[in-house]
Order: sequence, then structure tokens, then C-alpha cells
Amino acid sequence: EAQVTQNPRYLITVTGKKLTVTCSQNMNHEYMSWYRQDPGLGLRQIYYSMNVEVTDKGDVPEGYKVSRKEKRNFPLILESPSPNQTSLYFCASSYYINTEAFFGQGTRLTVV
Amino acid sequence: GIQVEQSPPDLILQEGANSTLRCNFSDSVNNLQWFHQNPWGQLINLFYIPSGTKQNGRLSATTVATERYSLLYISSSQTTDSGVYFCAVPGSSNTGKLIFGQGTTLQVKP
Repeated sequence: EAQVTQNPRYLITVTGKKLTVTCSQNMNHEYMSWYRQDPGLGLRQIYYSMNVEVTDKGDVPEGYKVSRKEKRNFPLILESPSPNQTSLYFCASSYYINTEAFFGQGTRLTVV
Repeated sequence: GIQVEQSPPDLILQEGANSTLRCNFSDSVNNLQWFHQNPWGQLINLFYIPSGTKQNGRLSATTVATERYSLLYISSSQTTDSGVYFCAVPGSSNTGKLIFGQGTTLQVKP
């Protein structure tokens, strides 16, 4: 089944403890991106990747890192999480930029 | 940048009723998507519809690109249709970012 898989689905962590949210797609998509969704602010793009080894900042990149070593994987890294990074995170992929996007199941992160 | 507005913001239906959700966008776009965010937070693809009309079961969508709007029709609504419906279009910058409307929150009562 064609899908975008994020893990974990739910995570509660403490301030400063490094964490990684994984994202994997099995559709051979070149373009991948991360969003966060917050009440009243909607979905905002964190980082995106046009292809392997090509990543760039979105609208809210502060406090996040990404890597794209393989086409299928696009992990989101929080080196030192803070409470303001408590949010619902989505990974998305599409064949090319500005084509149909498919979203992962979401990761609900709470930083205390 | 491009603006996306959805209406109505909230909608309460009795099971079995029909509804129409609207999405207006401020600039020309080459694609548009409709999503359903279910109560568990998952974003489900409904339609990828740059123009024209598509149907999938009880749902259908129409995009009139020249007039900058899209409509999502839900017929014979069911309680499982509850959630938030978003339309999204590509942003004007070359980042691949999707610009989402603020959503229509639908509650279907049994």
C-alpha cells in the first residue's frame, strides 16, 4: 500500500532531550516536507527536500534539523526540544514539487 | 502571497443530510487538494482537483480555476464524516509549500 509512515504517533518528552521523528514513503517521491499544526496558526512548513541531499528551510525552521540521505526517508530532528515545540507534526511527500501531496498519520509531540 | 478562504467555518448536520463546502483562493493555481482531518488528527486525501469535477462515492468536488474557487459536496452524510475539511493550494514561492484554508469543522449528528 502506498503510504507515508511517521513514527512515533505520540510522544511526551522533557525539555532538552534530543529526539527524532522518522518519516518514510514507499512511493518513490522526490519531494518531501515537514509541517507543524497549531491551533489558530494552521499548518506551517518547517523544512522541505527537493531530492536526496537537497534540503531547505521552510517558514518555521528554528529548533529543527532534517536530513535526506535516502530518497524514502526524511527524519525530523529536535536537538534540544522546548515546550513551544509542542505541536502536531506532519510529514508529506509528492512525486515532484507542487504535485499531489500525501501526508503521514501525524505525530503528536508534547514537550514538558 | 496567495490567500485561501473556506466557508462555512462550522457546520452541524443531521445524519443523511447533504452539504456544500466552499474554498476561495486569491490567485491562479495549477492544483488544489481537499483533505479531511479526522478526530484522531490524521489528514486524509480526498481529491486532487486542479480543475473540473471528480466523484468518489458520496463525495464529489468541483474546481473552477478561472473563477478561483472549489466546492466539496458531501451527500447522505454519516457520523464518520465528522472532522475538519481543508482545501490547500501551492504557495507562490518555489518551496512546494501548501497553503491551507482555515478549514470547515463538520459535525454530523446521529
